[in-house]
Amino acid sequence: AQTVTQSQPEMSVQEAETVTLSCTYDTSENNYYLFWYKQPPSRQMILVIRQEAYKQQNATENRFSVNFQKAAKSFSLKISDSQLGDTAMYFCAFMKHALSSGSARQLTFGSGTQLTVLP
Amino acid sequence: DVKVTQSSRYLVKRTGEKVFLECVQDMDHENMFWYRQDPGLGLRLIYFSYDVKMKEKGDIPEGYSVSREKKERFSLILESASTNQTSMYLCASTLGSSGANVLTFGAGSRLTVL
Repeated sequence: AQTVTQSQPEMSVQEAETVTLSCTYDTSENNYYLFWYKQPPSRQMILVIRQEAYKQQNATENRFSVNFQKAAKSFSLKISDSQLGDTAMYFCAFMKHALSSGSARQLTFGSGTQLTVLP
Repeated sequence: DVKVTQSSRYLVKRTGEKVFLECVQDMDHENMFWYRQDPGLGLRLIYFSYDVKMKEKGDIPEGYSVSREKKERFSLILESASTNQTSMYLCASTLGSSGANVLTFGAGSRLTVL
């Protein structure tokens, strides 16, 4: 079974500064996907960024980037130039690459990090 | 845009009541999921479905059942609600079996059981 650990329940950052959210995971799989999802106060969960384990290059989406360390099983999210709209709960999630027949891919989530961007 | 619609944002029920949480998606997605979200525990998978009338247990299925009679609709059923089922429930859907496909979530249903 996979586990995802987010050790920072809460963080805060000043507007325009950079912040890094930590995530570690445990798996025996060699190929998998990792995700960061964002849940703002409105509650709609949206995808921030995705990484495939076989790709060594770290994923980047505008101000959001990841530091993927496969050997260390670490997947941190860096938010640059933080904006007030980045205030949200952030979840790290894991998905196996292999799929059993007649099934669907499931996400395993961490416990979340509440990020507050301060004006 | 894909839309996943959960019929109720807030519900208050009494212990022992039967509760239905409805979820509808409009993009012909094969896979649908029900998660429960609790503070400090993140999201935990209750049940999922990869086809009409097909269902599989997730990590915490006890006390819940599901129904998927039509592709677009996935219902979560609490046969006899208990106070420990007070929680936020999130429905999600995704297309096909590729891991590159991203889950689309509904806005959530906050259930309080008194």
